[in-house]
Amino acid sequence: EDQVTQSPEALRLQEGESSSLNCSYTVSGLRGLFWYRQDPGKGPEFLFTLYSAGEEKEKERLKATLTKKESFLHITAPKPEDSATYLCAVQADSLSSASKIIFGSGTRLSIRP
Amino acid sequence: EAQVTQNPRYLITVTGKKLTVTCSQNMNHEYMSWYRQDPGLGLRQIYYSMNVEVTDKGDVPEGYKVSRKEKRNFPLILESPSPNQTSLYFCASSLGAGNNEQFFGPGTRLTVL
Repeated sequence: EDQVTQSPEALRLQEGESSSLNCSYTVSGLRGLFWYRQDPGKGPEFLFTLYSAGEEKEKERLKATLTKKESFLHITAPKPEDSATYLCAVQADSLSSASKIIFGSGTRLSIRP
Repeated sequence: EAQVTQNPRYLITVTGKKLTVTCSQNMNHEYMSWYRQDPGLGLRQIYYSMNVEVTDKGDVPEGYKVSRKEKRNFPLILESPSPNQTSLYFCASSLGAGNNEQFFGPGTRLTVL
C-alpha cells in the first residue's frame, strides 16, 4: 500500500537554528514527490516537485532533496516567518492510480525569535 | 488573479440534509481534486478529475459524489451527510496530473450535527 510518513510531527527551533524535516514514502513507483507549506486557516501553498533520486531544489532558506526512500526539507537559518506546517505528498506511477496523490500528515514547524 | 474559489467557506448542517460545496478555478486547469483535512490524518484525497467528464476515486470517496461538466467547476456533493464528514475541505487544481503544482482553494469548514 502506498504510504507517506513525515517526521517529526512538530519541531520548535530558535531563529537561525538550521534543521531538516523528513518524508519517507512507500510507493510502487514514484512519479513525483511534492512539498507544500500550509499556514493556519489557509490552503497549502506549493514549494517544490522532485522527480528522481539525487534531485535537489532550492528556494530561499529551503532546500529539498530526494532519495529512493525519503525526502528531506532542509531549513537553513530559519526566521519566524518560516513557521508553518510543511506537507509532503507523492504521486505513484502505477496504472491503477496514476493520478492519485497521497499526503503525509505534516510537520508543524515553529521558529522562536 | 489566478485562483481557486470555494463556497461556502463555513457550513453547519444536520445529518441527512443534502449539500453541495462548489469549487471553481480560472486558470484553465485540467486536473482538479477534492481533499479533506482532519487533525492527525493530514490531507486525504476524496475524488479527482483529469478533465471534463473524467472523474476517479481517491482514498476516501465513500459518502461523496462529484461531477465535472465544465472545465472550471468541480462541485462536491454530500447526498446524506453524517457527523463523521465533519472536516475541513479543500479543492485544488493543476495544469495536468503530471504537473503537480496544485493550487488550493481557501477551504470549507463543514460541521454536520
